Amino acid sequence: DAKTTQPTSMDCAEGRAANLPCNHSTISGNEYVYWYRQIHSQGPQYIIHGLKNNETNEMASLIITEDRKSSTLILPHATLRDTAVYYCIVRVPMNYGGATNKLIFGTGTLLAVQP
Amino acid sequence: NAGVMQNPRHLVRRRGQEARLRCSPMKGHSHVYWYRQLPEEGLKFMVYLQKENIIDESGMPKERFSAEFPKEGPSILRIQQVVRGDSAAYFCASSPETPRIFNSPLHFGNGTRLTVT
Repeated sequence: DAKTTQPTSMDCAEGRAANLPCNHSTISGNEYVYWYRQIHSQGPQYIIHGLKNNETNEMASLIITEDRKSSTLILPHATLRDTAVYYCIVRVPMNYGGATNKLIFGTGTLLAVQP
Repeated sequence: NAGVMQNPRHLVRRRGQEARLRCSPMKGHSHVYWYRQLPEEGLKFMVYLQKENIIDESGMPKERFSAEFPKEGPSILRIQQVVRGDSAAYFCASSPETPRIFNSPLHFGNGTRLTVT
């Protein structure tokens, strides 16, 4: 079962920042937080991941709280093409205790970017 | 660097036929994962393979479904005697194998949409 909780849906105005929250209160010390998105009819697209430090790449920023029980994905300037279902996933690294490294997807957040 | 390639993109089978779905991982990747997405539902893990080995098949139905990832060639997901309930999008993902990149992300293909008539 997924170990994260996300809002079912969110709206964002085009050009504004989209802030997508995720709760993962039972996260373990060796579990990473991953974000993926799925645009209609396409395969999931990797966005970003982190352990405890904030991370930034060309797509987004990931803010992880100090206690690691929640995180926020930030799309700095949302466009219409960012409309998608966004998944927050916690995952054990491959070499830990025989974990099989798979991703378990929950229901995600449907982000609708409005013109 | 080509991404994960899946073919065919669309596959139509009649009930009782066999479906074969192919997945070529990204160059340098030797781990393959298969997921299924039923209409209007989320992605469900099916199986995780490394070259010539099934590592985790906890999400595979017990009957009619099988997967392989041979030493040479693509990974194959085979569904025998398909039924209407098998109609879904099947996604493949790959990741590299290296002791240093133990938390590398999975990269997904754009899926095969199977329709059983």
